[in-house]
Amino acid sequence: GAGVSQSPSNKVTEKGKDVELRCDPISGHTALYWYRQSLGQGLEFLIYFQGNSAPDKSGLPSDRFSAERTGGSVSTLTIQRTQQEDSAVYLCASSYLGGGETQYFGPGTRLLVL
Amino acid sequence: AQSVTQPDIHITVSEGASLELRCNYSYGATPYLFWYVQSPGQGLQLLLKYFSGDTLVQGIKGFEAEFKRSQSSFNLRKPSVHWSDAAEYFCAVDTSYSGGGADGLTFGKGTHLIIQP
Repeated sequence: GAGVSQSPSNKVTEKGKDVELRCDPISGHTALYWYRQSLGQGLEFLIYFQGNSAPDKSGLPSDRFSAERTGGSVSTLTIQRTQQEDSAVYLCASSYLGGGETQYFGPGTRLLVL
Repeated sequence: AQSVTQPDIHITVSEGASLELRCNYSYGATPYLFWYVQSPGQGLQLLLKYFSGDTLVQGIKGFEAEFKRSQSSFNLRKPSVHWSDAAEYFCAVDTSYSGGGADGLTFGKGTHLIIQP
């Protein structure tokens, strides 16, 4: 079946602009994760959604980052007032359940902040 | 907090030779253990995982990994590499257990595998 999809695949924006990144998980998967991959920090976990439950936002890098998940499916990661250090690849993953289940990753969104 | 160490940033192997990529973790219990591979411009693909039971696990593309509790290690092996194996390899742990909260995966920094003809 279809895997995790992310859009856009690439995004170039100017410093100070807001961006929205979208993730469509595998159908039937209740858990959804966002990660950031950058040269300096490697792969970092950002946030986790389980169904419609409110997420733990403590992993988000700053209050400029927010995420939501509508109807327990599609998720959007929003970065407000982007900074150059936000340039990275943002990866989304989903799993059938949370807690220890195998996570399947999307191709990522490559964000470049000029 | 948990951590994952992949001590080799780059490894160069001749095509047809054997491969071992090292991974050590730090955690107070046995976490779930994973190896993922990432080709240039691609997402992460799961190679194999260890949850419990047999400490030698088989994965896709001819890879295997052995969990050694005494060494807190989960090294990845392949008896004979192919040029298509050139990629970035990531070891990861998951300390959030089924039914509990989710902490996400904690990844190592990755090992870049180069295949020489």
